[in-house]
Amino acid sequence: DVKVTQSSRYLVKRTGEKVFLECVQDMDHENMFWYRQDPGLGLRLIYFSYDVKMKEKGDIPEGYSVSREKKERFSLILESASTNQTSMYLCASRPGQTYEQYFGPGTRLTVT
Amino acid sequence: SQQGEEDPQALSIQEGENATMNCSYKTSINNLQWYRQNSGRGLVHLILIRSNEREKHSGRLRVTLDTSKKSSSLLITASRAADTASYFCATDLTGGGNKLTFGTGTQLKVEL
Repeated sequence: DVKVTQSSRYLVKRTGEKVFLECVQDMDHENMFWYRQDPGLGLRLIYFSYDVKMKEKGDIPEGYSVSREKKERFSLILESASTNQTSMYLCASRPGQTYEQYFGPGTRLTVT
Repeated sequence: SQQGEEDPQALSIQEGENATMNCSYKTSINNLQWYRQNSGRGLVHLILIRSNEREKHSGRLRVTLDTSKKSSSLLITASRAADTASYFCATDLTGGGNKLTFGTGTQLKVEL
């Protein structure tokens, strides 16, 4: 079975801190994604990567950056956390186009 | 912008009844997928229907796709309390690269 893991289930950070969210998948998928999920807004794509060291902006990249140094790992970075980045963050991977996505369990981030 | 819009936003039924959720989208797709999310967890893929298919079944799930109306429906038959979750449609857009676009979801509650 495909497994996507995220480094934390719950995280509390202070405004202005640099925050790293880590995601690892074990099925050699080319594509990895970071979403945030907020009530009433569904899933919104922040960034995605289709290969090592490649990244593309999603719908809401402002305030975020990403890193993909190895195929299995995709990191989301909040350079200076703000309270409006309090959200559920979901990582996903996908083997290629026309296939389904596999999601991690999510990280609920609270910025105070 | 949201490509997929689910209807209704919330649905409450009794155990044993059928639940129907609808999804509308705006542009041409390669396929449409349905996902389920239990409270506070990641999404789990349920079923994928390709643009040249009209109907697909998986256990108690039945999905239809009408590309002329740009709409899909998910039917859960003989619902159980364990089906209580949020359900999302996701579209794989033609020329959209490797990313899916998710709707805002339908919250299903199945009561005993």
